[in-house]
Amino acid sequence: QVTVKESGPALVKSTQTLTLTCTFSGFSLSTTGMRVSWIRQPPGKALEWLARIDWDDDKFYSTSLQTRLTISKDTSKNQVVLTMTNMDPVDTATYYCARTPGVKTYFDYWGQGTLVTVSS
Amino acid sequence: DIQMTQSPSSLSASVGDRVTITCRASQSISRYLSWYQQKPGKAPKLLIYAASSLHSGVPSRFSGSGSGTDFSLTISSLQPEDFATYYCQQGDSPLWTFGQGTKVEIK
Repeated sequence: QVTVKESGPALVKSTQTLTLTCTFSGFSLSTTGMRVSWIRQPPGKALEWLARIDWDDDKFYSTSLQTRLTISKDTSKNQVVLTMTNMDPVDTATYYCARTPGVKTYFDYWGQGTLVTVSS
Repeated sequence: DIQMTQSPSSLSASVGDRVTITCRASQSISRYLSWYQQKPGKAPKLLIYAASSLHSGVPSRFSGSGSGTDFSLTISSLQPEDFATYYCQQGDSPLWTFGQGTKVEIK
């Protein structure tokens, strides 16, 4: 049974660095083809893909945010960590973690999301 | 980056209606297109992958079609639980992107 859960601060201040952790079970990020992404959604707005880390440690970032994002994995802990620097109120959003299986390109399991509010 | 454009942005329909949502990619994405349903306050759920493959447990009234740059999601007979926002997502390039969403509302 696959589960995914995001954790991190609910409130950060402008210019601070946000660190989010995705903790999962029911699969391993060391399995060939496995991928985990971060996606966010500002209140009332669309989904935005942010970053992905693959089983082989390949990393991919949204072009518009790549200078601010870092994604990493701890396979032994079944965790993926996303850091976003220089936070701004426009970064207020629900942040989701999602799994992509077997070298596919879709998200089959999502976490419940964590709302991050950025104060000015 | 590949841009995904959905239309319409919103629509009103009645229970039992046939509903079609379209998604256009800014360049060819073969069939690397997925559809998701999202209800307020909830995470998105996968409906369709590889343009037309139905995800496990998804009702057969949902179907997808298309290839290249033009895709569609069809709900053959709209049910009360289908009122939600729908997103397309491309996975052709290494950098994935979503459409802006289509909100399906009750008429």
